[in-house]
Amino acid sequence: EAGVVQSPRYKIIEKKQPVAFWCNPISGHNTLYWYLQNLGQGPELLIRYENEEAVDDSQLPKDRFSAERLKGVDSTLKIQPAELGDSAVYLCASSSDRRSTDTQYFGPGTRLTVL
Amino acid sequence: AQSVAQPEDQVNVAEGNPLTVKCTYSVSGNPYLFWYVQYPNRGLQFLLKYITGDNLVKGSYGFEAEFNKSQTSFHLKKPSALVSDSALYFCAVRDPRYSSASKIIFGSGTRLSIRP
Repeated sequence: EAGVVQSPRYKIIEKKQPVAFWCNPISGHNTLYWYLQNLGQGPELLIRYENEEAVDDSQLPKDRFSAERLKGVDSTLKIQPAELGDSAVYLCASSSDRRSTDTQYFGPGTRLTVL
Repeated sequence: AQSVAQPEDQVNVAEGNPLTVKCTYSVSGNPYLFWYVQYPNRGLQFLLKYITGDNLVKGSYGFEAEFNKSQTSFHLKKPSALVSDSALYFCAVRDPRYSSASKIIFGSGTRLSIRP
């Protein structure tokens, strides 16, 4: 079974430029998560999707961040414009449904560097 | 509010010795607890979880964890460490009372270093 796929793996941009990350979850997984992981820290949830619906985006900085999951499968996370402080690893995860017991499976992440 | 703490930034163990990575949590009620491992430039990999039942949970790669409700701890253990166990380990907790809106909270991570 293929795992969670993310692209690109690495991205270097200048501040004020836009950037987008793509995630393909495990087949059949209805719940999709985007996390931010700063160096030396644990992941922090940005947004959670149940199918197409964003059910928890309270931690997403909506002035510059946006996300979509149009057909309930793939998802895109966008930052526009990027700031120096956005440099981090962006992780995507999926689980089979939203129950608390379900295990989340993580992709390899996209390492963003903003210069 | 739920929270999780990993009191040690780094744990150093000789190969073949037992290892313990500590985790304590704060949740009002019975928690769901998880351990994940992260290798360099990789995403997090699931090791094991505690939901209910037996306090000793066995997981991948020979790891196990013991849920201790009185001490609000969920320490990760392995009887005999391997050099390949060297990685970053994250403990996580979820409050099951709010299943529709609950989210998993991760600790800050513990770097495990196994010397040959």
